[in-house]
Amino acid sequence: DGGITQSPKYLFRKEGQNVTLSCEQNLNHDAMYWYRQDPGQGLRLIYYSQIVNDFQKGDIAEGYSVSREKKESFPLTVTSAQKNPTAFYLCASRRNQETQYFGPGTRLLVL
Amino acid sequence: AQSVTQPDIHITVSEGASLELRCNYSYGATPYLFWYVQSPGQGLQLLLKYFSGDTLVQGIKGFEAEFKRSQSSFNLRKPSVHWSDAAEYFCAVGAPPGGSYIPTFGRGTSLIVHP
Repeated sequence: DGGITQSPKYLFRKEGQNVTLSCEQNLNHDAMYWYRQDPGQGLRLIYYSQIVNDFQKGDIAEGYSVSREKKESFPLTVTSAQKNPTAFYLCASRRNQETQYFGPGTRLLVL
Repeated sequence: AQSVTQPDIHITVSEGASLELRCNYSYGATPYLFWYVQSPGQGLQLLLKYFSGDTLVQGIKGFEAEFKRSQSSFNLRKPSVHWSDAAEYFCAVGAPPGGSYIPTFGRGTSLIVHP
């Protein structure tokens, strides 16, 4: 059963703590994306990767980091430098076609 | 630069009534256009897409959208809304593949369905 999985569904972060959100896909897609969603603001691009071992900053990359060591995986780390991390985070992937497919999301909350 | 405008933040309709959600885009050439739906706490699900050809596109769940180049619009329609259609709807515009494919999303329209 192909698709995109994100874990955990809910994540709690303490002040000064780094946390990592997981995104895995078994669709054999080359490109992967991370978006942040806040109420009334739509989707904002954090990072994207078009191939393994390569990634680019999106519109709001400050305070976030990513890696792309495997085609299937694109984890996002929310660092302590991100002062307002509370949001819903969405991962997406795309092959050489034009449509993005989204995971179920991770909600990050600050304790 | 490409952009997407969804002029309506909220739309309220009665169950069984028709629906039209507006989407206007800005893009220098023929765009790739998408509509997604998001239920609370969930990811985005693709409803339909337009790449080329027939300007009236059929999607899942009884939705359709019409691409109007002259108006730079891609409005989503449904003839009879069901209570389960209550959700957030996003329009997106993307460039054709071959370069750095970064779609732009609108801010979304929240659909409220009254019984």
